[in-house]
Amino acid sequence: ETGVTQTPRHLVMGMTNKKSLKCEQHLGHNAMYWYKQSAKKPLELMFVYNFKEQTENNSVPSRFSPECPNSSHLFLHLHTLQPEDSALYLCASSQEASGGSDTQYFGPGTRLTVL
Amino acid sequence: AQTVTQSQPEMSVQEAETVTLSCTYDTSESNYYLFWYKQPPSRQMILVIRQEAYKQQNATENRFSVNFQKAAKSFSLKISDSQLGDTAMYFCAFILSQGGSEKLVFGKGTKLTVNP
Repeated sequence: ETGVTQTPRHLVMGMTNKKSLKCEQHLGHNAMYWYKQSAKKPLELMFVYNFKEQTENNSVPSRFSPECPNSSHLFLHLHTLQPEDSALYLCASSQEASGGSDTQYFGPGTRLTVL
Repeated sequence: AQTVTQSQPEMSVQEAETVTLSCTYDTSESNYYLFWYKQPPSRQMILVIRQEAYKQQNATENRFSVNFQKAAKSFSLKISDSQLGDTAMYFCAFILSQGGSEKLVFGKGTKLTVNP
């Protein structure tokens, strides 16, 4: 379970704050993903990075800004969030983000609460 | 639209018994992959089993097996000899590969409780 790590595990922030979520994978993968998991809703894919290039932005509001400096690290920068953005944010990685055959490995998530 | 439906929000089973979780999906693609993921309480989501849509043989992983009916777009998960550690949320998902990118589409999940 230590292949994909996320920090912090819990975050409480006000609507005017700026914070960042961090994800790191130790699996030698080339693709990384951000998902949002809200109660009573399916997991929602937010962003996909393949070899450090963003290949998917699933109509995510601009108050969420991803950054992928290298294949092992993925950040999600947050600013001026809304209470409805409160959720569990999951990071995942896979060998590559094409072909569909690669299993995604998930991190433990960051539980975000926006006040 | 590509969707996944898990019609059982919650299920329970006695330890050592067998339980089947249902999943249906909708896609116009012919080549895709199907997955069952498990998310134990306060723990990481992990892959339980996967199935390639072009393979007719049902996948099996120890006590976990699937019943894949491609024409019916059904992908149920059978857990045999249920154990207390199987208590978790179970998510059905399929992955589409389109134009060099891929997208994993999840169902809402089934909360499974294994009772002693």
